[in-house]
Amino acid sequence: EVQLVESGGGLVQPGRSMKLSCAASGFTFSNYGMAWVRQAPTKGLEWVATISYDGSSTYYRDSVKGRFTISRDNAKSTLFLQMNSLRSEDTATYYCTRGWEPDYWGQGVMVTVSS
Amino acid sequence: DVLMTQTPVSLPVSLGGQVSISCRSSQSLVYSDGNTYLHWYLQKPGQSPQLLIYRVSNRFSGVPDRFSGSGSGTDFTLKISRVEPEDLGVYYCLQSTHFPWTFGGGTKLELK
Repeated sequence: EVQLVESGGGLVQPGRSMKLSCAASGFTFSNYGMAWVRQAPTKGLEWVATISYDGSSTYYRDSVKGRFTISRDNAKSTLFLQMNSLRSEDTATYYCTRGWEPDYWGQGVMVTVSS
Repeated sequence: DVLMTQTPVSLPVSLGGQVSISCRSSQSLVYSDGNTYLHWYLQKPGQSPQLLIYRVSNRFSGVPDRFSGSGSGTDFTLKISRVEPEDLGVYYCLQSTHFPWTFGGGTKLELK
């Protein structure tokens, strides 16, 4: 059974950093590109970043470029999102998703940026 | 960025009825490999989104055949027939042909 389990969220002050993790199981992690998608409270879905199966290519939405870094550890089947210089508008539930046609999603982890 | 215009925003339905949701893109979603990366999701209250249809018309594993997707180029439709209570929630389209990937604004399917 495919499972994606996010962790690392919580309350953080504006300008500070936070790192999210997504532990994958039930499939060969190194065969799949992975992505992060977020959802602000009561809002729609918003793509954040994507990484290729081997980590050689990464893509970001403009509003997080230079502040967020997506990475992966294929040996540990884990996806990461390093978030720096956080802003109030980054407050959202962050979902880890599998593939270029996101088929499986984690349960999500809440990130609240507030003083 | 590719703008995904999803309509309607709200869709009242009677159980057993049939509905359609439209998703239009501001540019063609045909990728250089010939595939069209347009997908449909349902997000039930308090849950993560779940994939229903991938690449326009392919039902994901376990999705009932009451759900069907169609379209091409810039114009796409999700049809739901014989609506059941578990179909209620917010539907989203997603294009992953072009970066940045973009979602439609969502359609809330609710009981009349």
